[in-house]
Amino acid sequence: NAGVTQTPKFRVLKTGQSMTLLCAQDMNHEYMYWYRQDPGMGLRLIHYSVGEGTTAKGEVPDGYNVSRLKKQNFLLGLESAAPSQTSVYFCASNTGGVEAFFGQGTRLTVV
Amino acid sequence: KQEVTQIPAALSVPEGENLVLNCSFTDSAIYNLQWFRQDPGKGLTSLLLIQSSQREQTSGRLNASLDKSSGRSTLYIAASQPGDSATYLCAVKGGSRLTFGEGTQLTVNP
Repeated sequence: NAGVTQTPKFRVLKTGQSMTLLCAQDMNHEYMYWYRQDPGMGLRLIHYSVGEGTTAKGEVPDGYNVSRLKKQNFLLGLESAAPSQTSVYFCASNTGGVEAFFGQGTRLTVV
Repeated sequence: KQEVTQIPAALSVPEGENLVLNCSFTDSAIYNLQWFRQDPGKGLTSLLLIQSSQREQTSGRLNASLDKSSGRSTLYIAASQPGDSATYLCAVKGGSRLTFGEGTQLTVNP
């Protein structure tokens, strides 16, 4: 029972570097989401996808790109990392009215 | 745009007390509402899911209610324990999005 798996779990980047966070789910869910969590600000939606090949912007999409080439995977890319992107990133998935499942998070520090 | 508010932001209670956490949302056109628990430095653990057609759900000492017309949900915790200390988050599923409140940080003192 893997559920939702995020890789990597931790990463330190230098300003201007790029990286990709991978989210994989094995529950055949249609919807997938990327959030960031910062102290005192709750979880804010970055991008989401309603199915394979689709993506949409959330509340805070600037500086991020996403792709959903396969139904089970949702990738979050940072093309040129900035210190303001230091955060904990969570991926989630669900379908219709069923409960959402979350990954364990990726702690990203940009120096 | 859906907005979700949780009150209070923080709550400290003695062990054994019954308590209520509140969640309100602005758009009543929702599919469901879900309550999560988050321990410091950890991910989110789902506690209860209430479908839009339901009024409440129960799991052990937890009871969650939903009043969709007024845009409110409550999470009732009975006989609180120190192990209940965590941040509790509510999330509303409406359309394609899952929108979170900022959470209530609960501390249960022995």
